[in-house]
Amino acid sequence: AQKITQTQPGMFVQEKEAVTLDCTYDTSDPSYGLFWYKQPSSGEMIFLIYQGSYDQQNATEGRYSLNFQKARKSANLVISASQLGDSAMYFCAMRPNDYKLSFGAGTTVTVRA
Amino acid sequence: SQTIHQWPATLVQPVGSPLSLECTVEGTSNPNLYWYRQAAGRGLQLLFYSVGIGQISSEVPQNLSASRPQDRQFILSSKKLLLSDSGFYLCAWSVIGPPGYTFGSGTRLTVV
Repeated sequence: AQKITQTQPGMFVQEKEAVTLDCTYDTSDPSYGLFWYKQPSSGEMIFLIYQGSYDQQNATEGRYSLNFQKARKSANLVISASQLGDSAMYFCAMRPNDYKLSFGAGTTVTVRA
Repeated sequence: SQTIHQWPATLVQPVGSPLSLECTVEGTSNPNLYWYRQAAGRGLQLLFYSVGIGQISSEVPQNLSASRPQDRQFILSSKKLLLSDSGFYLCAWSVIGPPGYTFGSGTRLTVV
């Protein structure tokens, strides 16, 4: 069974600063995908960034980057230059070959002006 | 383009009443479909998934059931709701690679 661990239930970050959200995972599958989603208070799930287990480079999407450390089974999300609109809940997720996406418990980020 | 529709957006139901939440997908064929539930302030729990018409896999024992009567239609049901069925229900469909899953807008169910 796959397990996703997000150890930070909540974080505060100052506007324009960077924040790192931790995520560790456990799987025995050699091939898997790692995802980060943002969930604002409206409830919608917004895809942010994807990292394949065989990708050589860390994924980046605008202000989002994924710090992928395969040996440590770690996939931390870095949000640079935080904006007030980044306040939301963030979920790390993993999908092995069986197509079922498993989610962590989430981290609530609050950006302060 | 592919879209996913989920309704209703909010629902307040008395204990013991039936439930039917519907999800439809457009712009793709033979999608993998999923129902998730999210308790307030918590992560997403996979309830059911389906890889084809009439094929339903249940992840956790519960008071709910799912059906897939058509290729792009996924229904979540209950004959008698419990208070513990309250939560935010999300339907999703998947592709290989990013964005992983595409989610519907969700249904906020309150059982009173």
